[in-house]
Amino acid sequence: DQQVKQNSPSLSVQEGRISILNCDYTNSMFDYFLWYKKYPAEGPTFLISISSIKDKNEDGRFTVFLNKSAKHLSLHIVPSQPGDSAVYFCAASRSGGSQGNLIFGKGTKLSVKP
Amino acid sequence: KAGVTQTPRYLIKTRGQQVTLSCSPISGHRSVSWYQQTPGQGLQFLFEYFSETQRNKGNFPGRFSGRQFSNSRSEMNVSTLELGDSALYLCASSMGPSGRAYNEQFFGPGTRLTVL
Repeated sequence: DQQVKQNSPSLSVQEGRISILNCDYTNSMFDYFLWYKKYPAEGPTFLISISSIKDKNEDGRFTVFLNKSAKHLSLHIVPSQPGDSAVYFCAASRSGGSQGNLIFGKGTKLSVKP
Repeated sequence: KAGVTQTPRYLIKTRGQQVTLSCSPISGHRSVSWYQQTPGQGLQFLFEYFSETQRNKGNFPGRFSGRQFSNSRSEMNVSTLELGDSALYLCASSMGPSGRAYNEQFFGPGTRLTVL
């Protein structure tokens, strides 16, 4: 049973527009969420994170929104650039404790067209 | 600061063989986690080590094992390889089991294992 779901396998956006990537989770014990970006033949690169005590975190062009009641988070990229084309993974974890592993979604492939 | 390194980058084995993959974490990081990435299943957690102890294990058969050395370097071993073990194996390091820094894991480039 998938605890972290990214229901859109792919997304295509025009350069300069907003990209919105979505992620849903089922486990209410998750309290820390991360987004990773992955280029082919490379490992995932940490992008941005959010703790469950917040509903928004912003870092430059990247903003993550968390809706705990809906168990939903989204990553907004604005403006989108061709270099943002990659696979984006949503991940969730329980901070602290003994659960240090990340549970990943299956990823969304973003294509930003010039 | 050097990133996470993994060796080898590519590996071809045949069914029934065993394989050992190596991971060197970022200097100062004491936690190492291993993940398997396949097209159908995405990134799946294998196990996590901290201070030479396995702290957490994913849902993989006993053919998958690992260890961590005193310098935090880690190895994972897969015995009796099956075709379905073909995947990208990723290692990630983080500082240690305390809150946020623990969860922000930094990944290596991975080892691409092909089982024929």
